[in-house]
Amino acid sequence: ELKVEQNPLFLSMQEGKNYTIYCNYSTTSDRLYWYRQDPGKSLESLFVLLSNGAVKQEGRLMASLDTKARLSTLHITAAVHDLSATYFCAVQFYFGTGTSLTVIP
Amino acid sequence: EAGVAQSPRYKIIEKRQSVAFWCNPISGHATLYWYQQILGQGPKLLIQFQNNGVVDDSQLPKDRFSAERLKGVDSTLKIQPAKLEDSAVYLCASSLVLWTSGGISTDTQYFGPGTRLTVL
Repeated sequence: ELKVEQNPLFLSMQEGKNYTIYCNYSTTSDRLYWYRQDPGKSLESLFVLLSNGAVKQEGRLMASLDTKARLSTLHITAAVHDLSATYFCAVQFYFGTGTSLTVIP
Repeated sequence: EAGVAQSPRYKIIEKRQSVAFWCNPISGHATLYWYQQILGQGPKLLIQFQNNGVVDDSQLPKDRFSAERLKGVDSTLKIQPAKLEDSAVYLCASSLVLWTSGGISTDTQYFGPGTRLTVL
């Protein structure tokens, strides 16, 4: 079974700071997804990364994919409170454990 | 464009009772998924349909869970009998099917609001 691991599981960061969430997976895959989930809400798609070296950016979030290392990163730049949520990466239909992000004013 | 619809939004039952959830995917999406999300965890795929056929149900506890998508559109997930450990949010998602030179692939999944099940 494909394993998807994220770290950290919990992240508390101050507004204006930068940080990176890591997603490792156990088998080769041609695409990787990032989702956001607000408390009590469903999942919202953020990024689809389709190939090795793919990089996508939306606002303060940037995602990248290294298929050789089986690693994806989600980089947060100059965090703001609105980014507080749980972030999941997913490979095929297997989801990571999620990273709960809290941005502190 | 209407999103994925699910009902009910909340359900409370006692253990050993039965429960059913309904999902209507985005129009034109051939692939439909049911996930179980236990509090504090990522979603776990229970079953994947393509049109009205089952693609993957390897993680569906078939002794108590069943799902169908008879006309290739909406779908029902049933639990009978429910156990305490079935308490979770049940998410339905749908996606387009992409035909590529490398074979069949699926596009981004769009999730419904979920049904929160509490088993007492």
